[in-house]
Amino acid sequence: KAGVTQTPRYLIKTRGQQVTLSCSPISGHRSVSWYQQTPGQGLQFLFEYFSETQRNKGNFPGRFSGRQFSNSRSEMNVSTLELGDSALYLCASSLVWGRGNTGELFFGEGSRLTVL
Amino acid sequence: AQTVTQSQPEMSVQEAETVTLSCTYDTSESDYYLFWYKQPPSRQMILVIRQEAYKQQNATENRFSVNFQKAAKSFSLKISDSQLGDAAMYFCAYRRLISSGSARQLTFGSGTQLTVLP
Repeated sequence: KAGVTQTPRYLIKTRGQQVTLSCSPISGHRSVSWYQQTPGQGLQFLFEYFSETQRNKGNFPGRFSGRQFSNSRSEMNVSTLELGDSALYLCASSLVWGRGNTGELFFGEGSRLTVL
Repeated sequence: AQTVTQSQPEMSVQEAETVTLSCTYDTSESDYYLFWYKQPPSRQMILVIRQEAYKQQNATENRFSVNFQKAAKSFSLKISDSQLGDAAMYFCAYRRLISSGSARQLTFGSGTQLTVLP
């Protein structure tokens, strides 16, 4: 069974640009969530999607947005990039609820964004 | 809001020895999940062990075991017979019990960097 796939793995942008990151969940997982990881702030929750709807959102500005497609794949977008957006962006998938739901999140390898 | 605290930013252990990583959390809920995740330098977060709060028995996965003290809101990870491959950042995490419509995100601690000495 394929794991969570994130693309691209690395990218460099300049301030003011925008970026789109992609995440393909494990087959059968309908929930996709995104986390930002930085040395200073640690791991912070961005948002969660399932059934193509944003279900929860962390404390991030509106420049951070996302969406989910009918096949559960998800994208997140950051507009008007700032230096502080440099981070590792992790995507995680999980079952929504029901039998077999252990509560575990399965993570991808992340997308490393550098903003210059 | 739930919080997770890992008070040991760095720990080291000799190969084949035992080490314990500490984690405390704060919640007003009675049912929840607790996890230890490992993030090696390759950076993919991998689940080490999980505990459901309603289960009194401490979880065990091979060389990894937890000491879950619900009343004290403590969730420590013990690694026995440490191996070089155990070197990584370890994160303690909390998640509400899964239910429709509830906030379901993981709340992470700040992490403990574990070094295994040969």
